[in-house]
Amino acid sequence: DGGITQSPKYLFRKEGQNVTLSCEQNLNHDAMYWYRQDPGQGLRLIYYSQIVNDFQKGDIAEGYSVSREKKESFPLTVTSAQKNPTAFYLCASSAQGVSNIQYFGAGTRLSVL
Amino acid sequence: SQQGEEDPQALSIQEGENATMNCSYKTSINNLQWYRQNSGRGLVHLILIRSNEREKHSGRLRVTLDTSKKSSSLLITASRAADTASYFCATDDSSASKIIFGSGTRLSIRP
Repeated sequence: DGGITQSPKYLFRKEGQNVTLSCEQNLNHDAMYWYRQDPGQGLRLIYYSQIVNDFQKGDIAEGYSVSREKKESFPLTVTSAQKNPTAFYLCASSAQGVSNIQYFGAGTRLSVL
Repeated sequence: SQQGEEDPQALSIQEGENATMNCSYKTSINNLQWYRQNSGRGLVHLILIRSNEREKHSGRLRVTLDTSKKSSSLLITASRAADTASYFCATDDSSASKIIFGSGTRLSIRP
């Protein structure tokens, strides 16, 4: 099956802990994105990458970090500097840059213990 | 930064009725997209309309775009219970390099 796989589905973070959310795609897409969604709200862009080994900050990058060492993978680390990490995190990819259709994973729900 | 704003924020209609959602945006665009999100799931792309198009159809969906008013509408005809979801418009920015999503319309279909 082609698509985007996010894991885990649920994640709990202890205070002061860094946690990493996984995003893998087998669609051969160049561009990948991370969004944060708070209850009843729209999506806010955290980071995006249009090519391997390159990524750009979105609107709410503070407290987050990413890497893009492989075309298929775009992991997101929620660092201890992110004081309000509880949210639904969505990963997406697109074929030819940001104006094209985005394909989404099923999301990771992160909560603080 | 918010580019698209949907209206209404929430909409409840009877099954079989038509549902209309609107999206307004602020700057010039290359295209506008509509997505659907079922509760607790990822978004699914519905339709894309380019800035030089005025109307587009896909099954029970009809999208219009008025670039002079910087607005778009999504019409779902003959609604079904399975259409219950949140609907988001997303616009690119001709001068930027990312897509920006609106805050969404929550659609509920009553049986």
